[in-house]
Amino acid sequence: QVQLVESGGGLVKPGGSLRLLCEAAGFTLNDHYMSWIRQTPGKGLEWVSYISTSSSYTDYAHSVKGRFTISRDNANNSLYLQMNSLRAEDTAVYYCARNIWSGYSYYFDYWGQGTLVSVSS
Amino acid sequence: DIQMTQSPSSLSSSVGDRVTITCRASQSISTYLNWYQQRLGKAPKLLIYSASSLQSGVPSRFSGSGSGTDFTLTISSLQPEDFATYYCQQSYSIPLTFGGGTKVEIK
Repeated sequence: QVQLVESGGGLVKPGGSLRLLCEAAGFTLNDHYMSWIRQTPGKGLEWVSYISTSSSYTDYAHSVKGRFTISRDNANNSLYLQMNSLRAEDTAVYYCARNIWSGYSYYFDYWGQGTLVSVSS
Repeated sequence: DIQMTQSPSSLSSSVGDRVTITCRASQSISTYLNWYQQRLGKAPKLLIYSASSLQSGVPSRFSGSGSGTDFTLTISSLQPEDFATYYCQQSYSIPLTFGGGTKVEIK
């Protein structure tokens, strides 16, 4: 069955960096766009970034553009989120999600369990 | 950016009740609208995509409708496992955006 497992979260000081990993199993990663989505108690769910199957296309939320970089390694069934210049407002649970894009549909059909990122001095 | 507004933000209902949650987009999004359920401490789960298509494995008591700017999620007969928070999400344009959520609580 489809499984997505995130790791790499933790406590980091403002201005620091973290690299999140999402390991995929049960499906062919290179058949799917993938996204990172985060959730905070105050701001709810926020889409962070997506990446196309061959990494040709990426896009980011305004709040993270220029600081975060999404990447993938299809051969190793892995998705990454490099987070630099972290701010307190980046504190959240970060989910990776499989994207389905067909015709007039685009949605997240499977989500990982999430990894908590805390940015605090 | 497209803003998604859900109402109500919370509601209390009893098992067996019919529940309706609405979601309004700040501009027309055709039927690029999805619904997710999130139980406490769990990741969101896809219920409905493209406004009205039921995701595989989701009970038929869940249904979605709408197009343009106004959308509805209906639970025809609320079950104990349906007490959760529900989110709408537009996929019409980047950045993809979510509504603020509707928490369904036990009356």
